[in-house]
Amino acid sequence: AQSVTQLDSHVSVSEGTPVLLRCNYSSSYSPSLFWYVQHPNKGLQLLLKYTSAATLVKGINGFEAEFKKSETSFHLTKPSAHMSDAAEYFCVVIFTGNQFYFGTGTSLTVIP
Amino acid sequence: GAVVSQHPSRVICKSGTSVKIECRSLDFQATTMFWYRQFPKQSLMLMATSNEGSKATYEQGVEKDKFLINHASLTLSTLTVTSAHPEDSSFYICSAIRGDLHEQYFGPGTRLTVT
Repeated sequence: AQSVTQLDSHVSVSEGTPVLLRCNYSSSYSPSLFWYVQHPNKGLQLLLKYTSAATLVKGINGFEAEFKKSETSFHLTKPSAHMSDAAEYFCVVIFTGNQFYFGTGTSLTVIP
Repeated sequence: GAVVSQHPSRVICKSGTSVKIECRSLDFQATTMFWYRQFPKQSLMLMATSNEGSKATYEQGVEKDKFLINHASLTLSTLTVTSAHPEDSSFYICSAIRGDLHEQYFGPGTRLTVT
């Protein structure tokens, strides 16, 4: 079965420290993977996407993610958290059949 | 480029009335748009796929007679919540596809409150 799992529903970091938001998927095929960010009462903004090119993907606002096929993971990282990074983050996957699968989301809190 | 707007951003209506939410792709044509519903602190739930010029495809468990979707043009899809009830209160988000599914752009959402 195809699925997307965001391992942490909530992550809290101090400002200036690294951010790690985890995403794993379950599939026999290599999917397309996305990370979106949602600020309160806003729509979703694309941070970055992996579509079978370079496995290390750089996105906006200093975020990046690495596709690891052997681990079926696509974790999102940022070297230094900023207060403005506080938001909800969604890992989204397209498997074969052109269906979107949303992770359950990770709420990031940045402590000043 | 690739901007999607929604109108209204917030709406409050009385139970039993109908509410229409518009989703527009401002600078591109979208043959496919999606409608999602999001409950507080939860992920997005796909409600339906809206295709220009044809009937919408609803996800299992979504009442098509209650959530009417019309995709009248390549830049506009509307979601009408008919006979709204308090349990329909939610955050509704649309998205539009430019090209293929890898180019999905989300609207800012509409907060619906039914009193």
